[in-house]
Amino acid sequence: LAKTTQPISMDSYEGQEVNITCSHNNIATNDYITWYQQFPSQGPRFIIQGYKTKVTNEVASLFIPADRKSSTLSLPRVSLSDTAVYYCLVGEVAGNKLTFGGGTRVLVKP
Amino acid sequence: NAGVTQTPKFQVLKTGQSMTLQCAQDMNHNSMYWYRQDPGMGLRLIYYSASEGTTDKGEVPNGYNVSRLNKREFSLRLESAAPSQTSVYFCASTSRQGAYEQYFGPGTRLTVT
Repeated sequence: LAKTTQPISMDSYEGQEVNITCSHNNIATNDYITWYQQFPSQGPRFIIQGYKTKVTNEVASLFIPADRKSSTLSLPRVSLSDTAVYYCLVGEVAGNKLTFGGGTRVLVKP
Repeated sequence: NAGVTQTPKFQVLKTGQSMTLQCAQDMNHNSMYWYRQDPGMGLRLIYYSASEGTTDKGEVPNGYNVSRLNKREFSLRLESAAPSQTSVYFCASTSRQGAYEQYFGPGTRLTVT
């Protein structure tokens, strides 16, 4: 499983865009990049998944450069309710062992 | 459609006691998982069941046993609880083997004294 590195914490303000970059230098050909969000006292929630280039859904965008050694989760116009821990995971979609690192604690301030 | 449900929500045990954490999903998912999350840490996989009738060890299986009772239910048993097992336990499920889009339950907060 590819090891991931992401910032421990980030602060932002309401209405701003938040970008969280995850490094995964050892990503393998079959690996996908997946992001989860976890609010306090809740289980993680799937946000977005991608393999290359850009993926966008109603919650976030995921940017993956051509070498795939990093990825950036972009949260547009955050609100206070986006305060959470965000986890970057890398691995085969067909694999069974989902590995969570420490995540990035995002604090959105008014 | 309740998704993934877990019981109990909270539990306090004394060292050496046993208990079973229950998990059920109503999404007809094949694969189910048990994780633990220690304070300020990420989740660690304890056991998983890729399909009904199969179970496999994850990253931290020692001190735990599991049972995939049927397609809906996946239980986690602590035979002799230890303070090191104080944690929040999450159950998750997914629609196909190994898919990274997992659906998590609300968690069980366990304290072992």
